Amino acid sequence: DGGITQSPKYLFRKEGQNVTLSCEQNLNHDAMYWYRQDPGQGLRLIYYSQIVNDFQKGDIAEGYSVSREKKESFPLTVTSAQKNPTAFYLCASKDGDQPQHFGDGTRLSIL
Amino acid sequence: QKEVEQNSGPLSVPEGAIASLNCTYSDRGSQSFFWYRQYSGKSPELIMFIYSNGDKEDGRFTAQLNKASQYVSLLIRDSQPSDSATYLCAVKPQGTLGRLYFGRGTQLTVWP
Repeated sequence: DGGITQSPKYLFRKEGQNVTLSCEQNLNHDAMYWYRQDPGQGLRLIYYSQIVNDFQKGDIAEGYSVSREKKESFPLTVTSAQKNPTAFYLCASKDGDQPQHFGDGTRLSIL
Repeated sequence: QKEVEQNSGPLSVPEGAIASLNCTYSDRGSQSFFWYRQYSGKSPELIMFIYSNGDKEDGRFTAQLNKASQYVSLLIRDSQPSDSATYLCAVKPQGTLGRLYFGRGTQLTVWP
């Protein structure tokens, strides 16, 4: 089935550790996005990519990094520089002018 | 900064009533408007989108745009308890490389 797969569903980070969240899509979409959602809040854009090997910072990129080496993959690394990483992370993708659709998300917590 | 504002609610309506959710946006050049539904603990799901040229109806859902006043609304007719969720409004301003700006969402409860 075509879709957007995020893994893992739950992730725990120790102090000083970098962790990587996976986002894979088999929809042949060019554009991919990473959002962060905190309780009672809307979605805030971390990074986005319109094409392979290119990406732009969103509104809250500090403490995060991404890569876009393949069209279907857009992993997000939460670095130790991100001091408050506990949140619900959502990956989305879209084709042309069509709407964005989301994966099921990853919940990241601090140990 | 592109602003998208929603009443956080909660909005509570009885089953069978019309639920009306509103969203205002700051960028007058915004081109397209999206409504997502998010159940507790789940990811957002697209339910409606409209472009700057008109309104749209899909089953029990109607999305309406008022460009002069810069707000977009979502009407849910014959509300059902299964409609209870948070509704997120998103706006695509002109020239933003496809990125969306989201409101904080309105929590809707439909009671039997």
